[in-house]
Amino acid sequence: KQEVTQIPAALSVPEGENLVLNCSFTDSAIYNLQWFRQDPGKGLTSLLLIQSSQREQTSGRLNASLDKSSGRSTLYIAASQPGDSATYLCAVWGGADGLTFGKGTHLIIQP
Amino acid sequence: ETGVTQTPRHLVMGMTNKKSLKCEQHLGHNAMYWYKQSAKKPLELMFVYNFKEQTENNSVPSRFSPECPNSSHLFLHLHTLQPEDSALYLCASSQEREGRYHYGYTFGSGTRLTVV
Repeated sequence: KQEVTQIPAALSVPEGENLVLNCSFTDSAIYNLQWFRQDPGKGLTSLLLIQSSQREQTSGRLNASLDKSSGRSTLYIAASQPGDSATYLCAVWGGADGLTFGKGTHLIIQP
Repeated sequence: ETGVTQTPRHLVMGMTNKKSLKCEQHLGHNAMYWYKQSAKKPLELMFVYNFKEQTENNSVPSRFSPECPNSSHLFLHLHTLQPEDSALYLCASSQEREGRYHYGYTFGSGTRLTVV
């Protein structure tokens, strides 16, 4: 059974810092990996989708990498801002059984 | 409207009530999902519908009953729930191809359910 682990569980940094969120998964037989953010009490907003044949995806200040063989992904956030404060979720897709999620990294950016 | 819309946003129900959650997607996707999000736990997949056919029932208790009348609408019927069923219920949709490729999941804002 696929398991997804996100490290750290929580992170608090001053505004302007670059930071890295980590995601690992136990079964490398995935088709893609998706990063989401979730604001308190809200739904999930998709940030980046990386197909298994890709190594990375970029959107603005966000960059996500995927090393499928080692079961790892990182989300890099450049020049962090208070508006980036949220919970960041990593999810992998292995086919017809839907996405498998990690517990998330709760991020606080201090003004 | 665009995206995935869920109603109601909040629901409080007694253990003997019957209620339904509604999800509607305006993206032309061919697959829809129900997820449950409880405190301190990862999102849990409950049901998957692909081309209106249920393809996954992730050992969910029978007090939760899904319905997918067409590819744009998904319901979750609730009856005789327990307090531990209180959670955020999220609906999602995606466009899948050949069971091994999709273009990303889009989630609704969720229904916050409290069972008293």
